Amino acid sequence: NAGVTQTPKFRILKIGQSMTLQCTQDMNHNYMYWYRQDPGMGLKLIYYSVGAGITDKGEVPNGYNVSRSTTEDFPLRLELAAPSQTSVYFCASSYLPASSYNSPLHFGNGTRLTVT
Amino acid sequence: AQTVTQSQPEMSVQEAETVTLSCTYDTSESDYYLFWYKQPPSRQMILVIRQEAYKQQNATENRFSVNFQKAAKSFSLKISDSQLGDAAMYFCAYRTPLQGGSEKLVFGKGTKLTVNP
Repeated sequence: NAGVTQTPKFRILKIGQSMTLQCTQDMNHNYMYWYRQDPGMGLKLIYYSVGAGITDKGEVPNGYNVSRSTTEDFPLRLELAAPSQTSVYFCASSYLPASSYNSPLHFGNGTRLTVT
Repeated sequence: AQTVTQSQPEMSVQEAETVTLSCTYDTSESDYYLFWYKQPPSRQMILVIRQEAYKQQNATENRFSVNFQKAAKSFSLKISDSQLGDAAMYFCAYRTPLQGGSEKLVFGKGTKLTVNP
């Protein structure tokens, strides 16, 4: 199993540019999440999805959009990139809700994004 | 906004000894959930223990227990009889129960635990 795959690993954007962070999982998980982790800080939830066609905002959704057209894919779109979006982005998935026992959250390796 | 603070970036413990990881949080809510997650190098985030704020009794899961102090907004994790397999990053997390279910977990920065043989 590949698990959770994120691309790209690194990206530098200029202010105002747009990009899509890709995330795919091959474990048939219904629950998928996008987190960002700023230097020296904890993970913050951007968006999450409980199944194909269903998405909801997390703690810090402004400046981002997501879609979930298939169970496997959960891309994160950044429109009009700003320096405040410089961060490491993690995609995660789980079989059951993240706060369930015996249902680990599987994380991707992250995307390091710099906006200058 | 809710925040979760883990003030210990790294901790170490001798095998078979006991270690306590600290976590404090800030919220204006009265009902919420608190969690401790373990993240080994495999990058899976595994739920170790969960505490509902309305419960006065501290949660226990085998060698893992918590000291939940609601008034002080403190939620520490105690690992007894530490094992080499306990070595990992440990994240404290907070969640408000919302109707329809919510996965808006707020995480701390994490504490790296090393277990020495």
